Amino acid sequence: QQQVKQSPQSLIVQKGGISIINCAYENTAFDYFPWYQQFPGKGPALLIAIRPDVSEKKEGRFTISFNKSAKQFSLHIMDSQPGDSATYFCAAPSGTYKYIFGTGTRLKVLA
Amino acid sequence: NAGVMQNPRHLVRRRGQEARLRCSPMKGHSHVYWYRQLPEEGLKFMVYLQKENIIDESGMPKERFSAEFPKEGPSILRIQQVVRGDSAAYFCATARDRYQETQYFGPGTRLLVL
Repeated sequence: QQQVKQSPQSLIVQKGGISIINCAYENTAFDYFPWYQQFPGKGPALLIAIRPDVSEKKEGRFTISFNKSAKQFSLHIMDSQPGDSATYFCAAPSGTYKYIFGTGTRLKVLA
Repeated sequence: NAGVMQNPRHLVRRRGQEARLRCSPMKGHSHVYWYRQLPEEGLKFMVYLQKENIIDESGMPKERFSAEFPKEGPSILRIQQVVRGDSAAYFCATARDRYQETQYFGPGTRLLVL
């Protein structure tokens, strides 16, 4: 059974700083790694995703870095804003249709 | 263009009662995944269904839990004889097909068992 280890569990960043969240996975049957953002009382929403045929993907202030050989990937949030305060989940595929989610990182960006 | 809908959004049950959670997929989506989220924890896969078929229920507790996705109507996650440990947020996610990598989540149903 695939396991995904996500760290840190919580993170406090000053406004304008860089938030970094890391994930490590064990095995994967297909290559698609999404990050989800969840606000309190809401469902998770896809934030950004990567296929490991590239080592990095950037969308606005959000960047995924992928190290396939190490089976690790990370989310970087540049110029972090208070509106980014949320819980972030990484996910790794398990089988052809199922994802295993990390335990989440609760990010708080101080104004 | 409605997203994934779940109802009720909040559900309170007493121990021993039944809970029925509904999930209506996005238009054009025929694959449904149910996840459970305990407080301060991540999302745990429970079951994957297509119309009229259960594809993978490896994450479902062996007793009291069942799921269906009929030809017509929403997918339903049913919990019989609820216990306090069933208190959690239950999310469904849907996809167009099994090869669509992005799963779209509903807002969840928060179940509280008294």
